[in-house]
Amino acid sequence: GAVVSQHPSWVICKSGTSVKIECRSLDFQATTMFWYRQFPKQSLMLMATSNEGSKATYEQGVEKDKFLINHASLTLSTLTVTSAHPEDSSFYICSARGGNNAGTRNSPLHFGNGTRLTVT
Amino acid sequence: AQSVTQLDSHVSVSEGTPVLLRCNYSSSYSPSLFWYVQHPNKGLQLLLKYTSAATLVKGINGFEAEFKKSETSFHLTKPSAHMSDAAEYFCVVTRASGNTPLVFGKGTRLSVIA
Repeated sequence: GAVVSQHPSWVICKSGTSVKIECRSLDFQATTMFWYRQFPKQSLMLMATSNEGSKATYEQGVEKDKFLINHASLTLSTLTVTSAHPEDSSFYICSARGGNNAGTRNSPLHFGNGTRLTVT
Repeated sequence: AQSVTQLDSHVSVSEGTPVLLRCNYSSSYSPSLFWYVQHPNKGLQLLLKYTSAATLVKGINGFEAEFKKSETSFHLTKPSAHMSDAAEYFCVVTRASGNTPLVFGKGTRLSVIA
């Protein structure tokens, strides 16, 4: 079945540095990927929609200059957390649709295993 | 706007007893609804989906859910809980038509007591 691979699975960085998270669709092409953030014991909140070959669409309240998204190919989207602060510590999860009816809302999203970011 | 409300933040059941996780939805159109499960520090796994076909949807691991339009509900059930079912469960609706993201409920933590 369709698989989404996310890397790294966890990362610890110092405050002020930048961290890049990769999201790959392994056996399907994903023109659109979605990035979510999950704080401890909370639900997933959509951060942005990543579109291949064009600018990402950010949700209200998400700083596009802080969370840089690049979707340069049909199988790879990256999220870079720039000048990370401790409050950016969170679980980041990417997702994409694959399989039949991939372009419709009826097909489920496949999720990566997430990246746990800790900023010290 | 589409949304889901999970009525219980935490449900605790004994092993071998039935599981009921409640979800109500709000949608201006015929929705697509999903249930996902998340084990601690892991990603999300799709349990089942409703896409306007059969109203009773069977998923993996013995779970099923029934779409009831009159009640705007999509409750998740399982006849007999296993210890391995302990996890966080999310009821999810698509935000709109087309290739759009999902809107997550706040989640229900299921505990299974031996």
